[in-house]
Amino acid sequence: SAVISQKPSRDICQRGTSLTIQCQVDSQVTMMFWYRQQPGQSLTLIATANQGSEATYESGFVIDKFPISRPNLTFSTLTVSNMSPEDSSIYLCSVSGARTTGELFFGEGSRLTVL
Amino acid sequence: AQRVTQPEKLLSVFKGAPVELKCNYSYSGSPELFWYVQYSRQRLQLLLRHISRESIKGFTADLNKGETSFHLKKPFAQEEDSAMYYCALSRGGGFKTIFGAGTRLFVKA
Repeated sequence: SAVISQKPSRDICQRGTSLTIQCQVDSQVTMMFWYRQQPGQSLTLIATANQGSEATYESGFVIDKFPISRPNLTFSTLTVSNMSPEDSSIYLCSVSGARTTGELFFGEGSRLTVL
Repeated sequence: AQRVTQPEKLLSVFKGAPVELKCNYSYSGSPELFWYVQYSRQRLQLLLRHISRESIKGFTADLNKGETSFHLKKPFAQEEDSAMYYCALSRGGGFKTIFGAGTRLFVKA
């Protein structure tokens, strides 16, 4: 298993500002993912954070809006840029377990409210 | 395209009654299917995976490739089963996972 810590756990932000969410894992992992969970909605994959290279974004998500860093195998950041109220969501960091199981482990999430 | 469908947003049953949470998927290859659960004020966690064919907390789920379904079942629901349940699909091996909309299970005393 993997223990994942996310910071901040919640924040209230002003429109037009940017916020960076940090994700720290207690062990080295190959695959790290960022999900968004909008109010009352399911989880939507934003991107796969790749160590040493640019993140792989899903359809509808772009690097300018959600820049991601992955400097090593235990840490990643997601920035939500130029925020609007539509960005109010829970942002979740997750990592993949053993390659043979496909299980995901999740952080507690970062709840962002944009005013 | 990959898709996971959970038709019920809310399912309410009495304690001791059987419960079935429905999940259908769309995928052209051989997916790995999972059920994740989120209890109140806890993080999302794996409940069970189809490849293990195990029973966790009395829950089972059988992959039916003909019907492309992976319904979650428990013969006797308990109050502590009240939670949000997500069906998920992955190509496995750490590839990206997509989630259904989720079903909130409420077990009444």
